[in-house]
Amino acid sequence: ETGVTQSPTHLIKTRGQQVTLRCSSQSGHNTVSWYQQALGQGPQFIFQYYREEENGRGNFPPRFSGLQFPNYSSELNVNALELDDSALYLCASSLVINPRSSGNTIYFGEGSWLTVV
Amino acid sequence: DAKTTQPNSMESNEEEPVHLPCNHSTISGTDYIHWYRQLPSQGPEYVIHGLTSNVNNRMASLAIAEDRKSSTLILHRATLRDAAVYYCILRDSMEYGNKLVFGAGTILRVKS
Repeated sequence: ETGVTQSPTHLIKTRGQQVTLRCSSQSGHNTVSWYQQALGQGPQFIFQYYREEENGRGNFPPRFSGLQFPNYSSELNVNALELDDSALYLCASSLVINPRSSGNTIYFGEGSWLTVV
Repeated sequence: DAKTTQPNSMESNEEEPVHLPCNHSTISGTDYIHWYRQLPSQGPEYVIHGLTSNVNNRMASLAIAEDRKSSTLILHRATLRDAAVYYCILRDSMEYGNKLVFGAGTILRVKS
């Protein structure tokens, strides 16, 4: 039990639609990241939010966006869905005391399975 | 991002120790070595991490070579529940505090 919960667990969308995925982090965690995991591959970093501001992004287009809220919840929004967006989307949270140190432990949720048809 | 190299798969017998190797020859002086594992249909799970010295916790041990160019995750007594994909990850010590760069990992199969 990591204390990170995601919703919904599964959903199906049509190409061109928009989707919002939600995550509730552990209380006190000030940093949340989102990852995309295609079938048979390792997770790929989308972006992270630190104290409600985006401060890191992977190689994903602007139609992937997010929000982090003061109550330790966050959202991942994907616009203009494409078939290749079908994947497991993982939320990860941690307490970062020193943003320049990589020693913090990151806790993952179980993910949201998105299928785009 | 610094890279890691792991075997694609390994197999172990239940109740026996498992040594999962990882090579990271381009590691920088302030990179931490992290291990995560991912059980089927679950998100990745933190296992252990270290910087220079060997580390132990309730799940596993991490042995780090003196030159830090390789490390080994040790599961002391493998159980069927340890069957998972194990990822060895170097954490960049930059301003991003939460970014992980996953490779393909090692698929560990445990036989009863």
